[in-house]
Amino acid sequence: EAGVVQSPRYKIIEKKQPVAFWCNPISGHNTLYWYRQNLGQGPELLIRYENEEAVDDSQLPKDRFSAERLKGVDSTLKIQPAELGDSAVYLCASSSHKTQETQYFGPGTRLLVL
Amino acid sequence: GQQVMQIPQYQHVQEGEDFTTYCNSSTTLSNIQWYKQRPGGHPVFLIQLVKSGEVKKQKRLTFQFGEAKKNSSLHITATQTTDVGTYFCAGPMDSSYKLIFGSGTRLLVRP
Repeated sequence: EAGVVQSPRYKIIEKKQPVAFWCNPISGHNTLYWYRQNLGQGPELLIRYENEEAVDDSQLPKDRFSAERLKGVDSTLKIQPAELGDSAVYLCASSSHKTQETQYFGPGTRLLVL
Repeated sequence: GQQVMQIPQYQHVQEGEDFTTYCNSSTTLSNIQWYKQRPGGHPVFLIQLVKSGEVKKQKRLTFQFGEAKKNSSLHITATQTTDVGTYFCAGPMDSSYKLIFGSGTRLLVRP
C-alpha cells in the first residue's frame, strides 16, 4: 500500500513569492491534515478535511494561506505571499476515521523562504 | 489552552544504556499516541494507549499511560543506534480528533 505522497520535497523561494504544496493521501482515507513543523518542535495542525470539507481551519493564517481538497482526495496548500517566518516543514497526514485514529504522515515539504 | 509537555528535550546515551521520555498533559486525555521521527524524516506512528494505567510493549520499547490519563512515558531498554530520532507524544484536544503534539525528546545514541 502506498503511503502519503507529497511534492515537492524541497522548495526555496524569495519572500513575497507564492508557493504551493501538494498531497495525495493513502487510498481510502477520508480525513486529511496539513501540519506545519518548525525546527525542534512538534507538528502543529493547520487544517483538517473530512472528504472535501474543511472542518477545522482555525489555525490556518487565512490572510496568506489557503487550501483546497477538490473531489475529496488530493489536496493543495498555498501560501501567497510567503514570509520569512513561513520557513518550516509542511506535513500532510491522513487517517481513515473521524475519531483519533492513527495518522499517517507524508515525507513533508521543506520550505525555505529567503 | 491545552498543553502537552515532554521532558527531557534532549538525551544523549551510550549504546546499551536505557532511555526514558516523559509526557505530561494539562488536561485528561482520552488516549495518547507516540510517534518517532528520524532525522530528516517524518513522524511515524508507534502506538496508541487508551486505558488508564495501560502498559504496552514493542520489543525493547515500553509505553505507559498514567492512572489519571494525564501523563505517559516511553522507555527504551538497551538502546541501539537505530533508536536515534525524536520521540513525540500526542493527545487529542478536548474530546475532538485534533492532536496536540509535545515538543519531542531527541535521542542521540553513541555507538
